[in-house]
Amino acid sequence: EPEVTQTPSHQVTQMGQEVILRCVPISNHLYFYWYRQILGQKVEFLVSFYNNEISEKSEIFDDQFSVERPDGSNFTLKIRSTKLEDSAMYFCASNPTTSTDTQYFGPGTRLTVL
Amino acid sequence: AQSVSQHNHHVILSEAASLELGCNYSYGGTVNLFWYVQYPGQHLQLLLKYFSGDPLVKGIKGFEAEFIKSKFSFNLRKPSVQWSDTAEYFCAVTSSGNTGKLIFGQGTTLQVKP
Repeated sequence: EPEVTQTPSHQVTQMGQEVILRCVPISNHLYFYWYRQILGQKVEFLVSFYNNEISEKSEIFDDQFSVERPDGSNFTLKIRSTKLEDSAMYFCASNPTTSTDTQYFGPGTRLTVL
Repeated sequence: AQSVSQHNHHVILSEAASLELGCNYSYGGTVNLFWYVQYPGQHLQLLLKYFSGDPLVKGIKGFEAEFIKSKFSFNLRKPSVQWSDTAEYFCAVTSSGNTGKLIFGQGTTLQVKP
């Protein structure tokens, strides 16, 4: 069964550094998402992406964040200048048809900002 | 704003006990409702979903959930839990016509003792 994959599984970075988290959604899916979960807190929506543009973003998704689908398969989340509070588990998700259908999640990337 | 509330943060049961996890949401319009499960070390997986029709929905591994519109609830049930059900359970909601943004509850950790 096709799966959403994410790399790396764990990323450690220094405060102020840029990080790029990578996701490969399921190949025929059309809608893409990033969520994050700070330890002990809820899974929070960051951004949704459809037809090569952002369709919705949360308040968390400020100018430090950006998303790209550079080559039709990868879906990346970039944090330009990481802060300590960006430490979290970041999940990518995709769904195939309508935006409200089932989302399939990747295993997550644990980001640790020191 | 939409929100989802899960009443139980940590539940401990013995094998063969019955399970009910509460989930309430706040949103006045049409919603799609989901329960996701995260087994230790694994990614979020869909247990079941409700879009329309029969308010009692059956999912994988013997789980079911009942949508009660008047109570804004979507409680998860299983008549007899197994040790392998030890996991974290998340209730989530998305509203029809939006970008697919999932709003999650805070999660319930279920520990089943053999």
